[in-house]
Amino acid sequence: QLRLQESGPGLVKPSETLSLTCIVSGGSISSSSSYWAWVRQSPGKGLEWIGRIFYSGDTYYNPSLGSRVTISVDTSKNRFSLKLTSVTAADTAVYYCVRVTRGIYYGLDVWGQGTTVTVSS
Amino acid sequence: DIVMTQSPLSRPVTPGESASISCRSSQSLLHSNGDNYLDWYVQKPGQSPQVLIYLGSNRASGVPDRFSGSGSGTDFTLKISRVEAEDVGVYYCMQPLLPPYTFGQGTKLEI
Repeated sequence: QLRLQESGPGLVKPSETLSLTCIVSGGSISSSSSYWAWVRQSPGKGLEWIGRIFYSGDTYYNPSLGSRVTISVDTSKNRFSLKLTSVTAADTAVYYCVRVTRGIYYGLDVWGQGTTVTVSS
Repeated sequence: DIVMTQSPLSRPVTPGESASISCRSSQSLLHSNGDNYLDWYVQKPGQSPQVLIYLGSNRASGVPDRFSGSGSGTDFTLKISRVEAEDVGVYYCMQPLLPPYTFGQGTKLEI
């Protein structure tokens, strides 16, 4: 059974970089039938799509985050990562890593448990 | 971005009754392949969201047949027949047609 687990600091200072990692277990991150994505949830903005990556490294980012976001993949460690630079209080949220089915679409069918990130000095 | 609008934002229900949630998109979600790119997710208290319905009307694996999705183009409905206490949570629609994927504001179903 595919499982996703987020990890990273729960507290980040304003203007610094938020870095999170998602470990994929029970399946291969190099699957051609999966995209790997980050979604965040904040009280003010609800659920927000951050971006996604394919195991080849092909990415799509939400334009609302501009050039602050980078998603990368490490196939050797079966994990993918999120970096968000120049964070502000508005980036305080629960961050989820998610599997998006590709090819035959079945939805965002696997979610991590989520990790809370607070931006504060 | 495609804007997703749900109604109502809160839906009190009594166990055993039916409930419907509406979702409207700012542009058509009907793909040229004939599928409507509209999903429904539920976030139960203290949990991550989980998929209920994908491509408008397809129940995800393990989802009871009390849940059904319908609609086409810009107007969609999630219907829950015979609501049970375990169905409480926040229900979201989401469009996976055009990135960035976008979610509705959520509808809180409460007993």
